[in-house]
Order: sequence, then structure tokens, then C-alpha cells
Amino acid sequence: GDSVTQMEGPVTLSEEAFLTINCTYTATGYPSLFWYVQYPGEGLQLLLKATKADDKGSNKGFEATYRKETTSFHLEKGSVQVSDSAVYFCALTERTSGNTPLVFGKGTRLSVIA
Amino acid sequence: NAGVTQTPKFQVLKTGQSMTLQCAQDMNHEYMSWYRQDPGMGLRLIHYSVGAGITDQGEVPNGYNVSRSTTEDFPLRLLSAAPSQTSVYFCASSYSSRGRDTEAFFGQGTRLTVV
Repeated sequence: GDSVTQMEGPVTLSEEAFLTINCTYTATGYPSLFWYVQYPGEGLQLLLKATKADDKGSNKGFEATYRKETTSFHLEKGSVQVSDSAVYFCALTERTSGNTPLVFGKGTRLSVIA
Repeated sequence: NAGVTQTPKFQVLKTGQSMTLQCAQDMNHEYMSWYRQDPGMGLRLIHYSVGAGITDQGEVPNGYNVSRSTTEDFPLRLLSAAPSQTSVYFCASSYSSRGRDTEAFFGQGTRLTVV
């Protein structure tokens, strides 16, 4: 079945450091790819998405590019802030066989220190 | 616009008790699902529904029941609570993939403790 693998955390960075969180996926068809963010005590919210190969999703300074050849969707940000401290989830859903449930990675906890 | 509303936010149950976690959405989404979140396990799908009257099992359905009598509501029932069901539960909704955005919207979660 479909699966998502993302780098283990926790990740601790100083403010203004560069962030990369790796995500790779396994899917039988042509998935849509997502990054969700969960701030402390809250539900998940969509950070960015990409629906086809070579698409780049971006939001709030975060970016991720859908790489079909490497089955990857790595999350990057050039300069993190304390307010970016959260848990980040990579996820996919298949579009080719109708709607399918979101499949999540295990999440990566990011802590940014001033 | 309320989005996805889950109740209650916190609940403590004794082993063997039953209860229903409520989930309602006001976005006219066809697709609704329940996940549980456990440390180190990410989010695991319990049950989902692609429309009123249609439900299906996810990865970890045992011990849970669902029904979908209306588009808006998707309650999750714990039949006989066990300590292994201690978790944070999230409800999510989205449009179906038929040519529409598949972004999922999540509720705030229900933190359940079974003692």
C-alpha cells in the first residue's frame, strides 16, 4: 500500500537557520502530496501542497517540490523563526482511483531556539 | 464559518465504558475521516466515509464504530473502552477528488484517557 517516510525528529535549530525535513513516498498511482503543521495543542492545518510532478508548493516561507523521479517532497525554509516550532507531517492521497484517505508520515518535531 | 467541530475536547473513561466522539462540519464536504494520534506513530486512520450512508475501515478500526446518516456529522463510537484506546482523536473532512481540491480540514482534537 501507499506509505510516507519522513525523517525522525526531534530537530532543534537556532533562529534564522536553514531547515530541511526529508519526506519520501511510495504510491501505486499519481498522488497529491501535502505538508501539514500541528502547533502545540491544536489540530493539523495544511501548510502547502503539490498535485503533480515538478509542482512547487509554498507558504509562509516554506517550500517543497514534488519530485517524481526520486519520489520525494522535502520541506525547506531558508530562515526559521521561533514561531515555526511545531510538528510537521508529510502526507499523500491518491487521485487516480477516486478519493483515498490521507496517508501520513510519523511527523517531525521542530524546535527553534532564540 | 466553524469548519470542523469536535466534542468533547477532553474525556476520561473507565475501562469498559462506551462513549461517542462527535464530529460535525459545515463545509458540505463529502469526505470525512477519523484518525488517532499516538507518540511516535503519526496519525493512523480509524474509519472514513465518502458520503452519507457509506463508511469504510481504515488501518486501526477494531473497537470503534461509525455511521454517516447526514453529510454534516460523523460520530465515532467506542464500544467498550480499553487503556490501549488512550489517544488524541482527530476528525477531518474534505471534498472528494472529483476535480476538486482535496485539502483536508481538521478539528481541534479530542484527548481521551482510559483508566
